[in-house]
Amino acid sequence: DAKTTQPNSMESNEEEPVHLPCNHSTISGTDYIHWYRQLPSQGPEYVIHGLTSNVNNRMASLAIAEDRKSSTLILHRATLRDAAVYYCILRTGQTGANNLFFGTGTRLTVIP
Amino acid sequence: EAGVAQSPRYKIIEKRQSVAFWCNPISGHATLYWYQQILGQGPKLLIQFQNNGVVDDSQLPKDRFSAERLKGVDSTLKIQPAKLEDSAVYLCASSLAREQFFGPGTRLTVL
Repeated sequence: DAKTTQPNSMESNEEEPVHLPCNHSTISGTDYIHWYRQLPSQGPEYVIHGLTSNVNNRMASLAIAEDRKSSTLILHRATLRDAAVYYCILRTGQTGANNLFFGTGTRLTVIP
Repeated sequence: EAGVAQSPRYKIIEKRQSVAFWCNPISGHATLYWYQQILGQGPKLLIQFQNNGVVDDSQLPKDRFSAERLKGVDSTLKIQPAKLEDSAVYLCASSLAREQFFGPGTRLTVL
């Protein structure tokens, strides 16, 4: 399974943008980049995913490097509710293979 | 839309006892997953069902863990007998396409 590397922790001030990096140098051409987050005492929740192009949704933006060996999750204005562990995950594009292999993620602390 | 339901939310047992967890996925979701999350780690997949068939159970410790999904809807995960190292949060998730929806989990403490 292709692996990802994320910083263990990051801090951000409330209402400022946050850039969460992820390295995935062994990504294959069919791997999708998924981001999930896990708030305290809750199950993970989907944030965003992409393949090659940058993606935007109501929660965040995903910037994917041209060589696809790294990506960045962007929270445009961090709120206290965004404090969570953020997981960057590679998921194979093979039909029926929908398993997610979680690493240890990045723990984001939002400072009021 | 109702989310993934799990019960119980908390369970405390002694080692060598048995325990069972229940999961009700989102209506219409064909794929169901059970994950184990040990404190400080990310979730680890135990088993994946497609309808009522097993797709992947390579990480399931089959000497003590078992899971079933009768009629392709609800699912139960059982541990018999439990060990101290089974203390973890057991998460159930379901999906229709790529996005997985997780339940709140069951926190198991084995004494």
